[in-house]
Amino acid sequence: GQQVMQIPQYQHVQEGEDFTTYCNSSTTLSNIQWYKQRPGGHPVFLIQLVKSGEVKKQKRLTFQFGEAKKNSSLHITATQTTDVGTYFCAGYNDYKLSFGAGTTVTVRA
Amino acid sequence: NAGVTQTPKFRILKIGQSMTLQCTQDMNHNYMYWYRQDPGMGLKLIYYSVGAGITDKGEVPNGYNVSRSTTEDFPLRLELAAPSQTSVYFCASSLGPHGGQPQHFGDGTRLSIL
Repeated sequence: GQQVMQIPQYQHVQEGEDFTTYCNSSTTLSNIQWYKQRPGGHPVFLIQLVKSGEVKKQKRLTFQFGEAKKNSSLHITATQTTDVGTYFCAGYNDYKLSFGAGTTVTVRA
Repeated sequence: NAGVTQTPKFRILKIGQSMTLQCTQDMNHNYMYWYRQDPGMGLKLIYYSVGAGITDKGEVPNGYNVSRSTTEDFPLRLELAAPSQTSVYFCASSLGPHGGQPQHFGDGTRLSIL
């Protein structure tokens, strides 16, 4: 069955630094969604990518969908303490939305 | 604007007890979902509904039941609670089919089975 894997599982970042988290699917995806969950909170939708090679930006966050539509990345520049939380990707194909296990981000001030 | 509301927020059950987790949404979304979230495991789909009167199984339906009598409400029933059902449960809704539209999540129900 469809599997979505995220790496790394944990990301410890110094405030002000950049980092990237990756999402890889075992199958070609129709689209991919990204969610953020703050500690103790619920997942909140960030963005959806549909087209091969698509790149979308939200302020300091840059999302990319791979050319083969089997992988995606989230790059955060100049990390802030407000970026703390777990970032999930969710890949959609064949009427199924599969969530990755998430990348949990902590920030050192 | 309430969005998706879940009750209760916390609950402790004894093994073998039953309970219903409530979920209601005020966005007139046809699609509703129940997920469980275990530490480090992401979200697993339990059941989903594409409209009033229509429900279907997700990845991990065993030990759960659902009903959808109205567009707004989508309760999740646990029968004969087991320790393996200790988890955080999230209800979500979307305007269109999951994967095609953003999902809006409730605050979750933290359930412990002892």
